[in-house]
Amino acid sequence: GAGVSQSPSNKVTEKGKDVELRCDPISGHTALYWYRQSLGQGLEFLIYFQGNSAPDKSGLPSDRFSAERTGGSVSTLTIQRTQQEDSAVYLCASSLVQGQGAHRNEQFFGPGTRLTVL
Amino acid sequence: GENVEQHPSTLSVQEGDSAVIKCTYSDSASNYFPWYKQELGKGPQLIIDIRSNVGEKKDQRIAVTLNKTAKHFSLHITETQPEDSAVYFCAARAVSGKLTFGQGTILTVHP
Repeated sequence: GAGVSQSPSNKVTEKGKDVELRCDPISGHTALYWYRQSLGQGLEFLIYFQGNSAPDKSGLPSDRFSAERTGGSVSTLTIQRTQQEDSAVYLCASSLVQGQGAHRNEQFFGPGTRLTVL
Repeated sequence: GENVEQHPSTLSVQEGDSAVIKCTYSDSASNYFPWYKQELGKGPQLIIDIRSNVGEKKDQRIAVTLNKTAKHFSLHITETQPEDSAVYFCAARAVSGKLTFGQGTILTVHP
């Protein structure tokens, strides 16, 4: 397929509800990353997958945030009991591998999911 | 962990002028420095990168320089065009492979 895809593109939810954000990486890419981009801010690292395992979850802001990856492909980021401060654009990226040579490590980003918590 | 500072936060230039964006990093072990361009409503896209064993790299109108001693690197865009208007992010990659991004620079090129 083409590039990294994410769905939905926009999500509006009420405070306290759970949301699921989906990421389809580029076929064959073993590494997958989630970032959060708040208005006017840089990209905040959330979690990284190598295959189906997550060696680095250090960026998840609280235990309301979780992510999984199945089949070494699709990943889902779940936010439980959403709060207004969770409003942001959630970006997913994938790369061939992690940490081995610049060109194989290049991260390709999806268009993001804009989450608004009312 | 790694900390990346990016300046300026906004930059406005006239078409045809040059634009320079600067970043500093804290982890001397970082070995790879990509630059991303993000257009409205889209995800960031890699435009140029440099590895720690190189001091300068150029690709048409864009160039990146790296000073390992001072731990800073810069993006240079010459002969700017309106379509260069976007948000630009620098990043530094630690030995672990993790990328840390700067806060971004909003570049506006006026026709």
